[in-house]
Amino acid sequence: QKEVEQNSGPLSVPEGAIASLNCTYSDRGSQSFFWYRQYSGKSPELIMFIYSNGDKEDGRFTAQLNKASQYVSLLIRDSQPSDSATYLCAPNQGGKLIFGQGTELSVKP
Amino acid sequence: DAGVIQSPRHEVTEMGQEVTLRCKPISGHNSLFWYRQTMMRGLELLIYFNNNVPIDDSGMPEDRFSAKMPNASFSTLKIQPSEPRDSAVYFCASSLRVSGDRSSYEQYFGPGTRLTVT
Repeated sequence: QKEVEQNSGPLSVPEGAIASLNCTYSDRGSQSFFWYRQYSGKSPELIMFIYSNGDKEDGRFTAQLNKASQYVSLLIRDSQPSDSATYLCAPNQGGKLIFGQGTELSVKP
Repeated sequence: DAGVIQSPRHEVTEMGQEVTLRCKPISGHNSLFWYRQTMMRGLELLIYFNNNVPIDDSGMPEDRFSAKMPNASFSTLKIQPSEPRDSAVYFCASSLRVSGDRSSYEQYFGPGTRLTVT
């Protein structure tokens, strides 16, 4: 079992729709969780983090965490073509961020 | 404010040659991380430093890889001798780690060095 699992995609959604990106992790000791966005040929950039069960909203982005299910997700509302990128989930395990393989999102105009 | 700076941005070398990648973290940050990214293996942590001290190098693939952080504003990752399978994008990231602050684990990435070993 991989430490962090994400569907590789591509996930294709129409412009204006909600994109839902999912991630499961194996280490129950993980305390905080980070979502990064990576455009093709660029470096990862932080979108948001979450460490409490439930939802956390930041603009069009909502992170959801369920520690009992070892599940974290990212919702992108009103998706735009500029959101097309790979989204990386990264739990904090003992001070290190362990990155998933990422989900490729494609937003079609 | 300047972000994480990496050099060179691109490096093409022949198998067997020594390669040195350089990183300048964000001023004031106390943790530095070296990653390697390939299509097959994704983003892998190689080593990280806290206050210039190596904390975890379990991701360093083999003895051909070494990393140093002589001061708070500079780090190097060296591969000697290089092999074609080392071809990847190498990222450096930094963070300001504050004890007890879970948000302080967020890392800021440099632009990366694309290494090609022929």
